[in-house]
Formats: sequence, C-alpha cells, structure tokens
Amino acid sequence: QVQLVQSGAEVKKPGASVKVSCKASGYTFTSHHINWVRQATGEGLEWMGWMNPNSGNTGYAQKFQGRVTLTRDTSISTAYMELSSLRSEDTAVYYCARLSSGWSSQAGYYYYYGVDVWGQGTTVTVSS
Amino acid sequence: EIVLTQSPGTLSLSPGERATLSCRASQSVSSSYLAWYQQKPGQAPRLLVYGASSRATGIPDRFSGSESGTDFTLTISRLEPEDFAVYYCQQYGNSPYTFGQGTKLEIK
Repeated sequence: QVQLVQSGAEVKKPGASVKVSCKASGYTFTSHHINWVRQATGEGLEWMGWMNPNSGNTGYAQKFQGRVTLTRDTSISTAYMELSSLRSEDTAVYYCARLSSGWSSQAGYYYYYGVDVWGQGTTVTVSS
Repeated sequence: EIVLTQSPGTLSLSPGERATLSCRASQSVSSSYLAWYQQKPGQAPRLLVYGASSRATGIPDRFSGSESGTDFTLTISRLEPEDFAVYYCQQYGNSPYTFGQGTKLEIK
C-alpha cells in the first residue's frame, strides 16, 4: 500500500540540527511532491515547505527560510528535512506528506489532488 | 502569503445534527486548490475534500465542500460520533501552502 514511513523520535540541544527522513513506498516517488508540516503540542498545523522529488526543486515558508533544507535520494525513495539552529519553540511533531497530482481529463490539465498520504510523524524535542 | 481564517473556533453539536465550518481566504485561491482535513488526537491529518468540493477517496458522502469567491465551507450533513475532531482547511494553490487555525468540533 501507499505509505510514508518516517524516522524515529529525536532529542536535540538548542543550537543543534536535526534531520528527519521519510521513506516512500507503494507508488512512484518522483511523481508527487513531498510537503513537510509540523505541529506543536496542542497547536495547529504549520506548513514548512515542499519538494519536487523529480527535479529537487523546493519552496519554503518564509518563517523557515535559511534554517530548513529539503533534499531527497531517489535511489531509495526517501525525502529528508533538516532543520538547523534549533530552539525550544521547534519542539513539535514533524510530518512528511504527499501532495497527490496527475493529469485530470476532467480539468484538462495537470491537477493537484491535495495532501492525501501522511507519514506517522516524528517527534523532535529541543531541550537543554 | 494567503491567510486562511476558520470559524468558529469551537463548534458544539450533537450526533445527527448538521455542521457547517467556514474558511475565509485573504485573497483568491488559485485553481480552487483548497482542501479540508480531519485530525483526531494522536493521529496524522486525513484528507476529506480537495479542489474545494471534491471528496477524497473513501470519504462518506455526508461530507461536502463548497466555495463562493474566497469563502469556503465544509458541511457535515448528519454528524456521526466519529466525526468529532479538529478540522483544518489548507490552500495549496500558491506557495506557501498555508493552513487555517482549525475548528474543533465537540460533542454537545
């Protein structure tokens, strides 16, 4: 089945970096963008950025510009999110998620079908 | 950046009632790329509606989405016990793909 499996929980000290992996299976990894979203405890969803696994092109939320880097290894169908200069406010669950897309005969153009597959989440705790 | 404002913040209803959740965008959403998600405690979000009004695979037909200009609505026609959760809208037409702040649907 189609799924995204993320790496395990991380505990980091302020100022350090964290790199979370997201392995795709059950579909062609390069056919759909990967988004990264985070959620602090009791808070809402916060969009961080997107990556096109085919081209490697990326886009980031202004808030994370310069601190987040999205990469991929197509040989193992895995996406990565690295966040640097960690602070306590970065403590959250981090999700990778697939933005589904494809040719729509109804629309007559390449269409995006929303974020339909989510990883299980990776808890990142930043604490001294 | 497109700002999405959801209302109400909390909605208290009983099973069997109709729920209407609102999401207002600060500007036009490209290609009506507006999605609704449901999230339950300890779980990842689940896609309900994409393209403002198309139900995702496997979503019951009691869930429906609509749009009028920059106003988007998620309607749950008859609430089932499993529908009580937090709901988010997201626009994915223009980067950054912003989320609304969420509406908590609770049992009255």
